[in-house]
Amino acid sequence: AQKVTQAQTEISVVEKEDVTLDCVYETRDTTYYLFWYKQPPSGELVFLIRRNSFDEQNEISGRYSWNFQKSTSSFNFTITASQVVDSAVYFCALSEAWGGGNKLTFGTGTQLKVEL
Amino acid sequence: DAGITQSPRYKITETGRQVTLMCHQTWSHSYMFWYRQDLGHGLRLIYYSAAADITDKGEVPDGYVVSRSKTENFPLTLESATRSQTSVYFCASSGSGLGEQYFGPGTRLTVT
Repeated sequence: AQKVTQAQTEISVVEKEDVTLDCVYETRDTTYYLFWYKQPPSGELVFLIRRNSFDEQNEISGRYSWNFQKSTSSFNFTITASQVVDSAVYFCALSEAWGGGNKLTFGTGTQLKVEL
Repeated sequence: DAGITQSPRYKITETGRQVTLMCHQTWSHSYMFWYRQDLGHGLRLIYYSAAADITDKGEVPDGYVVSRSKTENFPLTLESATRSQTSVYFCASSGSGLGEQYFGPGTRLTVT
């Protein structure tokens, strides 16, 4: 069965600090997809990124970057120069391509608090 | 309005009552999903649907029933609500089997 572990329950940083959110996954499939979602205090879930298992290139989008390493089954998320608006719960999720039916398995989330 | 909506946004019900949570999307997405969010568990899949009239169980389906007669609607029914079903329920949709899912605003359900 697939599993996603986000070992960091809560992280607090001061604004402008860089912060990395860890995500470790388990799957027996060779083809799978990894996702990050953001849940701000308002409660909605916002899609951030999707990465397939064949693409290990790191991705950068503004202050956000993602480091995918199949060798360690990790898909970590870094926010550079954090801002108060980044305060949210961040979820990592996994979907298996075959037999998964696009079902997402979520980690338990990391609460990020960015303070002034 | 375009997007995915859920109703009601808040609901309080009593143990043993039947309650239906509604989900509507305007994108004509094939896939729809119901998740529940509980502290310490993240989001867990209750049921999903690959198309109209095609549904399947997720990780925590017991006590829930779904139907999907139209592509745009995916209601979730709690047949006899229990306190353990107090949770925030999210509906989501996806245009493809491997694409990202887009979530509704959630329904906060309290069972007393």
